[in-house]
Parts: sequence; C-alpha cells; structure tokens
Amino acid sequence: DARVTQTPRHKVTEMGQEVTMRCQPILGHNTVFWYRQTMMQGLELLAYFRNRAPLDDSGMPKDRFSAEMPDATLATLKIQPSEPRDSAVYFCASALEAGGFYEQYFGPGTRLTVT
Amino acid sequence: KNQVEQSPQSLIILEGKNCTLQCNYTVSPFSNLRWYKQDTGRGPVSLTIMTFSENTKSNGRYTATLDADTKQSSLHITASQLSDSASYICVVSPRGGATNKLIFGTGTLLAVQP
Repeated sequence: DARVTQTPRHKVTEMGQEVTMRCQPILGHNTVFWYRQTMMQGLELLAYFRNRAPLDDSGMPKDRFSAEMPDATLATLKIQPSEPRDSAVYFCASALEAGGFYEQYFGPGTRLTVT
Repeated sequence: KNQVEQSPQSLIILEGKNCTLQCNYTVSPFSNLRWYKQDTGRGPVSLTIMTFSENTKSNGRYTATLDADTKQSSLHITASQLSDSASYICVVSPRGGATNKLIFGTGTLLAVQP
C-alpha cells in the first residue's frame, strides 16, 4: 500500500553538525510538505513544493535550513549548522493537488535530537 | 496567539465510554476544517474533512461537527476502544491564497483505559 517514507527515523547529532533528512513521497503525488512538530508549538509548516518547485519556505530559518527536491521521488531537508533548538520531529507529507482541497498523507517522521 | 485552540489538553476515559473533544478557531475566512489522529511515534492520519458549508461528518465511530458562526468544531468518539488512545489534532485551512497551508492546533491527548 502506498505511503510516504522518511529516513532516518531517528537522528542524534552534536550541535554544529549537518543533518540531512530524506522523504520519498507517494508515487504520483505532485505536492510535498515539510513540517516540524514540537510539544510547545505543535505542527508547523516549514516549506512545500509543487511539481518539484519550491512554493513557500517562509516557515524555515533561512540561514540554516534548506529544502530541495532533486527529483520527483526524493525531497530533502538539510540543517547546517544544527542547534539544540532544532530538536523536534520532522514530518514530510505528500498530496495530489488537482483543484480544490486535497488530503495530505504524512510520513512516520524523523526524530532529531541535537545535543 | 494560536489561531486554533483545542480543549481539553488531555483526557482519560474508560474503554467503551464516549467523549467529545473541542476546537475553537479564529481563522477567517476558512476553506475547510480537518480532524487528524496521531498515534505515538507516527504521522497524523486524517479522520474527517469538512468544508465551511458542512455541519457534520462521520467516519465510523468518529463524528465531527462544525458551527461556522461560532467558529467551533467538536469531535465525538463513540464507544471508545483502547486503540483510540492518541493525540487528536484540529486543523484549519484558510480560504484564499495558499489553500494548502494548514494551521494546526496543539492537539488533545486521549488515553483510553481498560
């Protein structure tokens, strides 16, 4: 059954290190989202792409975060350098946008801990 | 101020009992309101989606209601099961602009005990 996959599922790193998270959207979906979830803030949109083009990354700290879609089957979220306040669960979601509103399907998340 | 507020923050009920979770929002105008279920260690999964013109939507033992005049929604769970233990998140999508930008509440954590 089709689902969004994310790797790694868990990542522990030291402050200052680079972190790369990967997402494989559901085949055929044309829109990909990156979210961050913390206990205090809940789920926040970081960035999203449609047909691999970035449409909005206003939720991302630009100086350290970057998001890309090298191809239709891979989305990446990179943090460089990482900081303890980046510790959170990062979710990728994908959707097929065909007019109107549409369902977003979430991956299992990457739990990031920065020490 | 969070545009989507949920209550209670957490809730404990006994298996077989009913419960109702509340969501108040200030997002206006809005396109649709969704309820998601998030199991521990998993991503959110959609339960219901209601447009601004709908009053109620059911999905098995889950029934969501919407009052667009008072900007309130509720999720009613009937005959709770242990597997209903999860976080329930209310999500509002603004109308106009980027309709795929979702605004999330912080969730209600439900624990169903045997």
